[in-house]
Amino acid sequence: DGGITQSPKYLFRKEGQNVTLSCEQNLNHDAMYWYRQDPGQGLRLIYYSQIVNDFQKGDIAEGYSVSREKKESFPLTVTSAQKNPTAFYLCASSITGEGWNEQFFGPGTRLTVL
Amino acid sequence: AQSVTQLGSHVSVSEGALVLLRCNYSSSVPPYLFWYVQYPNQGLQLLLKYTTGATLVKGINGFEAEFKKSETSFHLTKPSAHMSDAAEYFCAVQGSWGKLQFGAGTQVVVTP
Repeated sequence: DGGITQSPKYLFRKEGQNVTLSCEQNLNHDAMYWYRQDPGQGLRLIYYSQIVNDFQKGDIAEGYSVSREKKESFPLTVTSAQKNPTAFYLCASSITGEGWNEQFFGPGTRLTVL
Repeated sequence: AQSVTQLGSHVSVSEGALVLLRCNYSSSVPPYLFWYVQYPNQGLQLLLKYTTGATLVKGINGFEAEFKKSETSFHLTKPSAHMSDAAEYFCAVQGSWGKLQFGAGTQVVVTP
């Protein structure tokens, strides 16, 4: 079955540590996205990538980094510079091109920094 | 730039009653609009979308939404609520490069 996987589902880290969240898709989508979700704020875009080896900052990129070395994978690193990293993180993917593009979402990773 | 406003962060409905979730958008171009549903600790699932054509859009689970350009609205409705409709609902508008701008979400509680 095609889809998006995120691992782990729950992640605990100590303050000051970097942590990497995994996102893999087998939908053959060119575009991938990372969102952060906090209660009452909806989803906010962290980074997005339209093609391998290229990515752009979203609305809240500070304290985060990404890479896109393979079409299937778009890992997100939450660095120690992120002041409030505890949140629910969602990865999504879509086709690219003109017109509307449905984004498909993974199940999410809940990160708690202690 | 696009933006989305969802009126009401929490909505409580009785089982069998009408569900109405409000969404207003702003967009400098003809919009592509989406409604997503999220169950606790899960990802988002697409309920329905408006792209072009018919302004009344039907989606999954008995939901529908009407695009009203004059009111810049895309309200979501379901005639009869079911307990399984308890979830959080997000309205979104597509911007450049396929990026989505989400509203803050509306939590729906269904009471027996």
